[in-house]
Amino acid sequence: DARVTQTPRHKVTEMGQEVTMRCQPILGHNTVFWYRQTMMQGLELLAYFRNRAPLDDSGMPKDRFSAEMPDATLATLKIQPSEPRDSAVYFCASGWAGTDTQYFGPGTRLTVL
Amino acid sequence: QQPVQSPQAVILREGEDAVINCSSSKALYSVHWYRQKHGEAPIFLMILLKGGEQKGHDKISASFNEKKQQSSLYLTASQLSYSGTYFCGTSWVTGGGNKLTFGTGTQLKVEL
Repeated sequence: DARVTQTPRHKVTEMGQEVTMRCQPILGHNTVFWYRQTMMQGLELLAYFRNRAPLDDSGMPKDRFSAEMPDATLATLKIQPSEPRDSAVYFCASGWAGTDTQYFGPGTRLTVL
Repeated sequence: QQPVQSPQAVILREGEDAVINCSSSKALYSVHWYRQKHGEAPIFLMILLKGGEQKGHDKISASFNEKKQQSSLYLTASQLSYSGTYFCGTSWVTGGGNKLTFGTGTQLKVEL
């Protein structure tokens, strides 16, 4: 049963600390998306990659957020330094270029104190 | 441009039907429907690509109008397990591997 995996599932940290979230897309998928979900803003697209190349990161605060795909099986989202307003659930989703359908991972629930 | 979903929320008694709409001001390439239960990830339900298309499984189906500017999700004979937030994800770009723009969601609650 192919699934997107994300680690960690929960993260509590203090303001100013670095946070790294990891995502393993479904094997064979070549598009990866990072979303942030809050009650107020809903699902916001932060960044997405196709064949490991970043295509759009316009939704991401550039001064503190960065997203990378070191290889086809790993995508990372980093926040440095973290702030309380970054508290949210961060989802990774993957798909393949033949369709726009995305499959979501379980999410990382981030709390910044 | 974010698609408009309606209604924002709906409460049903088990066995009742519901319709959720997703509208765009310009023709869409595709519409994807997702359901998200509280504390879980969105789960893909179905995709519609063709104007006039209708598809579904079990008692959940969807349609895409001829102009490809509106899609509706139909839930018939609702069950408690249908509770959750339903999102439409839309694309205006042909082909695949593109980003989706999600609506604000419709909260559906099914009660006994």
